[in-house]
Amino acid sequence: DAGVTQSPTHLIKTRGQQVTLRCSPISGHKSVSWYQQVLGQGPQFIFQYYEKEERGRGNFPDRFSARQFPNYSSELNVNALLLGDSALYLCASSFLDNEAFFGQGTRLTVV
Amino acid sequence: AQSVTQPDIHITVSEGASLELRCNYSYGATPYLFWYVQSPGQGLQLLLKYFSGDTLVQGIKGFEAEFKRSQSSFNLRKPSVHWSDAAEYFCAVGAGDYKLSFGAGTTVTVRA
Repeated sequence: DAGVTQSPTHLIKTRGQQVTLRCSPISGHKSVSWYQQVLGQGPQFIFQYYEKEERGRGNFPDRFSARQFPNYSSELNVNALLLGDSALYLCASSFLDNEAFFGQGTRLTVV
Repeated sequence: AQSVTQPDIHITVSEGASLELRCNYSYGATPYLFWYVQSPGQGLQLLLKYFSGDTLVQGIKGFEAEFKRSQSSFNLRKPSVHWSDAAEYFCAVGAGDYKLSFGAGTTVTVRA
C-alpha cells in the first residue's frame, strides 16, 4: 500500500507570494492533518480535516487555509508568505484518531 | 492543553551501548503517547504508541517505552544501538482528539 504522499518535495518562493501544498492520504483514511516543522523544533499542528470538514485549527494566522476533497486528498494554502514560513510542512493521515501516519513532507523556503 | 518536554537536546552513544530518551508530558487525563523517529530531511515514522493497558510497550526496530503515570513520563529505550539509529526522536501526546503535541526532539548521534 502506498503511504501518505506529498507534493512537491521542495519549493522556493518569494516573500509575499502564495503557495499550495498537496497531500494524498493512505487509502481508506478519511482524516488529514497538517503540521509545520521549523528547523530545530518539533512539528506544530496547523489543521485537521475529517470527511471534508475542518475539525481543528492550531494557532496559525488566517494566511493559512486548507481544504479536503471528496477523495480525501487535501491542500494547504499559505498566502502573503513571510520568511518565517520557511519550514518542513508535514501531512498526516489517520483512520483512527491520534494514530497518525506522516508523509515525507514539503520543504518550503521563502526568500 | 497538553504539552511535552524532552529534556535532552542531543545524546551521543556508542554503537552497541544502550539508549534511553526521556519524555515528560503534561495532560490532565490518561494521554495517548507516541514516539516518532525522523531521519534528516524525512517525515516522521511511528516507533510505538501507548493508549492503555500494559505500561511497557514494544515497538519497531527493537525499541520499547514505559509509561509511568506517577512521573508523567514515557521514556524510550533500546538495549543495543546500531549506527542506523542515528536520527531525531520526537515524543508526542494526544488527547484522544485530532491534535498531537510534540516535544522539541532529541538528536541521537551514534559513534563507532
